[in-house]
Amino acid sequence: AQSVTQLDSHVSVSEGTPVLLRCNYSSSYSPSLFWYVQHPNKGLQLLLKYTSAATLVKGINGFEAEFKKSETSFHLTKPSAHMSDAAEYFCVGGTGRRALTFGSGTRLQVQP
Amino acid sequence: GAGVSQSPRYKVAKRGQDVALRCDPISGHVSLFWYQQALGQGPEFLTYFQNEAQLDKSGLPSDRFFAERPEGSVSTLKIQRTQQEDSAVYLCASSPSPGGLGVTQYFGPGTRLLVL
Repeated sequence: AQSVTQLDSHVSVSEGTPVLLRCNYSSSYSPSLFWYVQHPNKGLQLLLKYTSAATLVKGINGFEAEFKKSETSFHLTKPSAHMSDAAEYFCVGGTGRRALTFGSGTRLQVQP
Repeated sequence: GAGVSQSPRYKVAKRGQDVALRCDPISGHVSLFWYQQALGQGPEFLTYFQNEAQLDKSGLPSDRFFAERPEGSVSTLKIQRTQQEDSAVYLCASSPSPGGLGVTQYFGPGTRLLVL
């Protein structure tokens, strides 16, 4: 079975400072991993995905994530936070046609 | 270039009522998923369709929940005799292929159901 664990339920940063949202995964086989963002009253939007082609994955809006097999981690980062980044972020595991497995979410607050 | 749409966006039901939630996937998408997102939680899988075939319904919490996709496009999630614990946001997602590692799912805005 595959699961993902988001280590922080809330993260607060100041505008212009780096963002780090942590995710660990467990899997008995090579996973596909995603980060989705959910703004209030909007649908989930894909930020980026990992499918074993490259360990450093670049996504939209300046976000990137690095797959580290030795640490079973897939942390999401951004060099400089914007106010518009405030949202709920989900680390998600996938196994092909089967359903996605969502982490519990990390709420990112960006302070002016 | 419409995305996944869902209706209604909000639904208030009295306990014991039946409700029907609709999902219009992206045109041509083979796979369709339903998820349930309780307040403060991540979405959890309910059921999966490949075209009109319901291949996985292991996530449906009880036999009060029923989903269909009769023509392989629009899907309806029906909840009979609603209970307060059914209150949640119900998300629909579609993807263009039947499977394969790393296939992206595209989500609709969800239907927020409140059972009083």
